[in-house]
Amino acid sequence: NAGVTQTPKFRVLKTGQSMTLLCAQDMNHEYMYWYRQDPGMGLRLIHYSVGEGTTAKGEVPDGYNVSRLKKQNFLLGLESAAPSQTSVYFCASSYRFGPGNTIYFGEGSWLTVV
Amino acid sequence: GESVGLHLPTLSVQEGDNSIINCAYSNSASDYFIWYKQESGKGPQFIIDIRSNMDKRQGQRVTVLLNKTVKHLSLQIAATQPGDSAVYFCAENTYNTDKLIFGTGTRLQVFP
Repeated sequence: NAGVTQTPKFRVLKTGQSMTLLCAQDMNHEYMYWYRQDPGMGLRLIHYSVGEGTTAKGEVPDGYNVSRLKKQNFLLGLESAAPSQTSVYFCASSYRFGPGNTIYFGEGSWLTVV
Repeated sequence: GESVGLHLPTLSVQEGDNSIINCAYSNSASDYFIWYKQESGKGPQFIIDIRSNMDKRQGQRVTVLLNKTVKHLSLQIAATQPGDSAVYFCAENTYNTDKLIFGTGTRLQVFP
């Protein structure tokens, strides 16, 4: 009963490096999301997907790319990491969106860009 | 890995007392609201939700109140327990969008 799994959990990057965060869900959910969380702020939506092969921009998409090649996976990429991208990243998924459709979150990925 | 919630408003309550956590929202078009609980080092966990056509909804030990007139949402926790210690977020959604907008959160500390 894994739910939403994120890898890696911790990563330190140098400025300019690239990396990919992987999110996997085993609940056959259609919707998947990537959020970032910074001190003193709520979660902010980076990108999301309403189904396999689809992606859409959220509130803070700049500097990130995503792909949803398989229904169960949602990848978040940083092509050229910047210190401003130091944050905690959360993946989430839901069957649909709206009342009655609980959004389940992963445990988070702590990313530090130096 | 603790790096969130360092500058959050904090509510301190004694074990057994009731807690009230408040949230103000700005978008009068928001029609769906959710409360999440986030424990240290973990992802947010769904607590309870409410639609805009309701003003109150109850769950197990929790009640959410919605006042659309003043755009205010509150979460009441009855008989607060040490396990309730966490950061609590409200989130709002506007009809026909697929996005949740989160508030900044409130830290609840329960002392014996």
